[in-house]
Amino acid sequence: EAQVTQNPRYLITVTGKKLTVTCSQNMNHEYMSWYRQDPGLGLRQIYYSMNVEVTDKGDVPEGYKVSRKEKRNFPLILESPSPNQTSLYFCASSSAGGIHEQYFGPGTRLTVT
Amino acid sequence: AQKVTQAQTEISVVEKEDVTLDCVYETRDTTYYLFWYKQPPSGELVFLIRRNSFDEQNEISGRYSWNFQKSTSSFNFTITASQVVDSAVYFCALSESYNNNDMRFGAGTRLTVKP
Repeated sequence: EAQVTQNPRYLITVTGKKLTVTCSQNMNHEYMSWYRQDPGLGLRQIYYSMNVEVTDKGDVPEGYKVSRKEKRNFPLILESPSPNQTSLYFCASSSAGGIHEQYFGPGTRLTVT
Repeated sequence: AQKVTQAQTEISVVEKEDVTLDCVYETRDTTYYLFWYKQPPSGELVFLIRRNSFDEQNEISGRYSWNFQKSTSSFNFTITASQVVDSAVYFCALSESYNNNDMRFGAGTRLTVKP
């Protein structure tokens, strides 16, 4: 089954404690992306990757890091989480960037206290 | 940069009513792509439709239809004979051909269909 998986699905952490949210896709897609969803703001892109070792900033990259060492994986790293990073996070993949539909993971709800 | 506006924050209808969700976009590109996604209460994002800027034909899929009008920069979504299962947040999104890695989403419209 074609899918994008994210882990964990729910996470409560404290300010400053480094965390990683994993994302993996099994569709051999070159393009992957991270979004955060906040009430009234829709989805905003954090980072995207066009291929292995190729990443770039989206609209709201501050406070986040990513890596793309393998085609299937695109982890999101918060080195020092802050309460304003409390949000719902989605990973997505696509065969051709924003030209084609993106397949989204189930979401990770992060709370930073 | 491109922009997507969904002016309706929340809409509430009674089952079997027709409802239209508005989407207005801004772009300087002549080639672009428009999308609608559905987010049901369970939280996942479900792809509904993709349209490119050269295809202005309206589309119908069952009870769903989409009206793309370049003259007014709108890509509206109509649900005919709404059902409770249509209750969800609906997002309109846009990506431009010259920078198709940057997909912009609207703020979303929360649709509630009451029995």
